[in-house]
Amino acid sequence: SAVISQKPSRDICQRGTSLTIQCQVDSQVTMMFWYRQQPGQSLTLIATANQGSEATYESGFVIDKFPISRPNLTFSTLTVSNMSPEDSSIYLCSVGASVDEQFFGPGTRLTVL
Amino acid sequence: DAKTTQPPSMDCAEGRAANLPCNHSTISGNEYVYWYRQIHSQGPQYIIHGLKNNETNEMASLIITEDRKSSTLILPHATLRDTAVYYCIGAFGNEKLTFGTGTRLTIIP
Repeated sequence: SAVISQKPSRDICQRGTSLTIQCQVDSQVTMMFWYRQQPGQSLTLIATANQGSEATYESGFVIDKFPISRPNLTFSTLTVSNMSPEDSSIYLCSVGASVDEQFFGPGTRLTVL
Repeated sequence: DAKTTQPPSMDCAEGRAANLPCNHSTISGNEYVYWYRQIHSQGPQYIIHGLKNNETNEMASLIITEDRKSSTLILPHATLRDTAVYYCIGAFGNEKLTFGTGTRLTIIP
């Protein structure tokens, strides 16, 4: 298994500002992913965080809005840039610690005013 | 990833078996069927997965039809802590997961 922590757990931000969310894993993992869960909705994959190279973004998500870093096999950050109220969501990271399952972090609850 | 279809909600009495259906008629031969659940205010939790054969672990059983077009997740003795949204996902091994809307399971005391 893998233990995942995220910082911050929640935040309230002003429109136009940026927030960087950290994801830390207690073991080295190959696959790391970032998801968004808008209020009352299911999870949507934002991107795959690749170690040592640019992240792979899903349709509808762009690097300028959601820059991602993956400096090593245990850590990644997601930045939500130039925020608007529509960015209010829970942001979750997950890791593929084995071929069988993914482990999810507790999420970061973001409110944009 | 194969698109899956699940009922939006279900109720089950505490102590009874909860049977959650999932249709995945477009699943390809080497796509696995994964089940995750999300308890309120928590991240999703892996439950079980299978390819062709039925599978069982300490949490649940997974029954996959022979034509692989549908499956059923069985929680043998549901408790109040099993109240959650359950997601059925078709995926190629351990890669990105495409979440549908899932089934909101409510366990009734």
